[in-house]
Amino acid sequence: DTGVSQDPRHKITKRGQNVTFRCDPISEHNRLYWYRQTLGQGPEFLTYFQNEAQLEKSRLLSDRFSAERPKGSFSTLEIQRTEQGDSAMYLCATSSNYGYTFGSGTRLTVV
Amino acid sequence: AQKITQTQPGMFVQEKEAVTLDCTYDTSDPSYGLFWYKQPSSGEMIFLIYQGSYDQQNATEGRYSLNFQKARKSANLVISASQLGDSAMYFCAMRELAGGTSYGKLTFGQGTILTVHP
Repeated sequence: DTGVSQDPRHKITKRGQNVTFRCDPISEHNRLYWYRQTLGQGPEFLTYFQNEAQLEKSRLLSDRFSAERPKGSFSTLEIQRTEQGDSAMYLCATSSNYGYTFGSGTRLTVV
Repeated sequence: AQKITQTQPGMFVQEKEAVTLDCTYDTSDPSYGLFWYKQPSSGEMIFLIYQGSYDQQNATEGRYSLNFQKARKSANLVISASQLGDSAMYFCAMRELAGGTSYGKLTFGQGTILTVHP
């Protein structure tokens, strides 16, 4: 595995439903980041994991958002009670030293 | 707080010509790193080039070079010999390096859409 995998690539959900995204990092990378990117904008930082510890959360990460990285391997990002404003691309990135590798993202559409 | 500004929403260039994409930044940290990424319509962020704040020379990677002017806080990307496949969104990003609690997160600019005409 030479890259960061994200699943699903696309998700359409009805407002109020819960959704969960998965990120499988490069195995030797212990740092994992989640970003949110709305249409026409740059990615915005959501949260950071070093191994299994969640060390930083953005103010963008409301109470409806939760992220985990059990055993310091894959990570999940869950959004509860989705709102139309949650429609965005959710990007996962991992790093070892100072380089970053991004996944292809999960595009969420809330209808 | 860190801030990245890309003032060109869109740029057009003729194939085989060179193009410069502008990026200015603001930080109070003396140690930082600057990145440029390419994002095609597929959504993946592709790393292009990196410049550290203490690097003495401008970074170059193949057709990409970074015009780093520290005093002006600018880090413009120069793409030489543009190709049709260069058409994409381009993002400038910054990461603080020393101390603090940034944990290496990146702050991105708004992006510039580059269109290469044949």
